[in-house]
Amino acid sequence: SQTIHQWPATLVQPVGSPLSLECTVEGTSNPNLYWYRQAAGRGLQLLFYSVGIGQISSEVPQNLSASRPQDRQFILSSKKLLLSDSGFYLCAWSAIQGSEQFFGPGTRLTVL
Amino acid sequence: AQSVTQLDSQVPVFEEAPVELRCNYSSSVSVYLFWYVQYPNQGLQLLLKYLSGSTLVESINGFEAEFNKSQTSFHLRKPSVHISDTAEYFCAVSDLDDYKLSFGAGTTVTVRA
Repeated sequence: SQTIHQWPATLVQPVGSPLSLECTVEGTSNPNLYWYRQAAGRGLQLLFYSVGIGQISSEVPQNLSASRPQDRQFILSSKKLLLSDSGFYLCAWSAIQGSEQFFGPGTRLTVL
Repeated sequence: AQSVTQLDSQVPVFEEAPVELRCNYSSSVSVYLFWYVQYPNQGLQLLLKYLSGSTLVESINGFEAEFNKSQTSFHLRKPSVHISDTAEYFCAVSDLDDYKLSFGAGTTVTVRA
């Protein structure tokens, strides 16, 4: 069966510090991968998605970036965090176009 | 891209009472439809999905949703809720040729004894 992992589970970072969140998927090949953010009291915002190694589509211009160095690994990064980057970050995968997405457990990021 | 409207942001309900969460989407082209549930500080879990076939789909924990193409709706219902159903519920829609899902803003269900 397929599983999706995210780490760390929680993170507290000062403003201006770098960020690296990691997501890995097991039990499937060539998944579509997604990064979402949930700000407090708000819905899901799609940040990036990837349909293959090295292929990244950005949905929202911001100071975040994403990379996919391996088939089942998706990384969310920032060079300098802003207060507004605080939120709950969710990674997800899907098998094919249009199909359901399966979500990881999330990373709670607090920027102080 | 689709737009998804969840008409109720908060739904308080008593234990063992029925609940209905409403979801409407923008397009009448062929779509896939999903309901997700999110418990506090957890990721989203797929509750049920409509891909094709019977317009009434059911989950293993008593929820059901009905696809209505003419009304572009996919409302979620449960005839008798439990305290453990307290969570946030998201409706999502995808076009068949799109990699992305469009999510509604979510409905918070609070079940009280």
